[in-house]
Amino acid sequence: QSALTQPASVSGSPGQSITISCTGASSDVGKYNFVSWYQHHPGKAPKLIIYEDTRRPSGISDRFSGSKSGSTASLTISGLQTEDESTYYCCSYAGRVFGRGTMVTVL
Amino acid sequence: QVQLVQSGSEVAKPGALVKISCKTSGYNFINHYINWVRQAPGQGLEWMGWISPDGGGTKYAQPFQGSITLTRDTSTTTVYLEFSNLRTDDSAVYYCAREKGFYYDLWGQGTLITVSS
Repeated sequence: QSALTQPASVSGSPGQSITISCTGASSDVGKYNFVSWYQHHPGKAPKLIIYEDTRRPSGISDRFSGSKSGSTASLTISGLQTEDESTYYCCSYAGRVFGRGTMVTVL
Repeated sequence: QVQLVQSGSEVAKPGALVKISCKTSGYNFINHYINWVRQAPGQGLEWMGWISPDGGGTKYAQPFQGSITLTRDTSTTTVYLEFSNLRTDDSAVYYCAREKGFYYDLWGQGTLITVSS
C-alpha cells in the first residue's frame, strides 16, 4: 500500500488559515468516512485531531476542521497560532496507510 | 487514567532479538485492538500491524511479515512487539496506538530502538 500524498510543508502567518491536502485512491481515502488526522510534535505521541473525515475529538480546538472530496481529504487550520507548528499526518483506516506528513510552519 | 505506557529505549546489535512493551490502563483491555506504528529517522508514520487483545488474532503489514511478532498478556493488559532478527534499518521510534472505530485515539509515548554493531 503506497503512502498517501501530502505536501511536505505548508506555512502561514499567525491568524491566517492554511489547508493541508491528502490524496489517495478510491480504495483508501475515497472509501467510506475513514480518514483521520494526527498532530505530531517531535518526541511526543501523535495526537488525534480529526476522525471520520470531519469529526473533532473532545478537547480539540474548533480551529481544526476536516473535509473530503472524492479521494482527497483536507485539514484546515484557521486562526493559525504558534503552537500549531508541528507535523500533521493523514491516515486512511481503509488502507491502513498514513500520509508522508506535512510540516506546518508559523511565520 | 486511560493511557498507553511504552517500555524504554533499546540499543541492540544486528541479528538480536528485542521485545518492547505497551502497558495499557484505564479501560477494558479486550475492547480495542492495539496497533503498532513505526517512524524511521526523518520519515513519516508507517503502520506495522495490529493485535486483538480478545483472542490474540494478529494482522501484519506486508513489509513486516516474518520479521515481527505481536503478542499480548491479558493478565497485565500489556501488548508486546518482538523483532526476531534486527537489522540496522529497524532503527526507529515505535508507537503503540489504540484503535477506536476507524481511527487511533490513544497513543503511547514511543520507544526508540537503535540497532548498531
